[in-house]
Amino acid sequence: DAKTTQPPSMDCAEGRAANLPCNHSTISGNEYVYWYRQIHSQGPQYIIHGLKNNETNEMASLIITEDRKSSTLILPHATLRDTAVYYCIGDGGATNKLIFGTGTLLAVQP
Amino acid sequence: DAMVIQNPRYQVTQFGKPVTLSCSQTLNHNVMYWYQQKSSQAPKLLFHYYDKDFNNEADTPDNFQSRRPNTSFCFLDIRSPGLGDAAMYLCATSTLAGGNYNEQFFGPGTRLTVL
Repeated sequence: DAKTTQPPSMDCAEGRAANLPCNHSTISGNEYVYWYRQIHSQGPQYIIHGLKNNETNEMASLIITEDRKSSTLILPHATLRDTAVYYCIGDGGATNKLIFGTGTLLAVQP
Repeated sequence: DAMVIQNPRYQVTQFGKPVTLSCSQTLNHNVMYWYQQKSSQAPKLLFHYYDKDFNNEADTPDNFQSRRPNTSFCFLDIRSPGLGDAAMYLCATSTLAGGNYNEQFFGPGTRLTVL
């Protein structure tokens, strides 16, 4: 599984887009990039995942660079309820393991 | 709603006294996982079941065991809890399709206190 690097914390104003970066320079060709978040005292929650192409769902967008060495999770209109630790994880699919890194604590400010 | 349920949400046990944490799911997923999350740390995978096949992580202590009597239920047994085993224990489920595992669905966790 790819080692991922994320900033330890970020702030974002409510209503603004939150852009969370992740470096995964050792990711292999068949490894997906998964994003999960964990709101305080809750279990992690799946957000989105991608392989090569950019992805969008009802929660967020995922932008993956062409060389796949980094990605950005975008929350288009952050709310106070989006305050959480966001984890970027390189997942081998066939190995099923989620190796959580330290994540980014996103604090959405009113 | 389909979900992953963990009982109890909070568990207190004494040093060395065996304790069992339970997880149930209504998603009919064939894979179930147990993670340990210590304070201010990220979740760490202990083991998982693919159907009845048990897969232990290499660094999971022998003190931790698991049982999966059927698709819906999975148990985490801590045979002799130490103070260092105080943590949040998270259960998750997923499916295996087309040779790849899909996203994991987590329960709310059981917070274990060891006195």
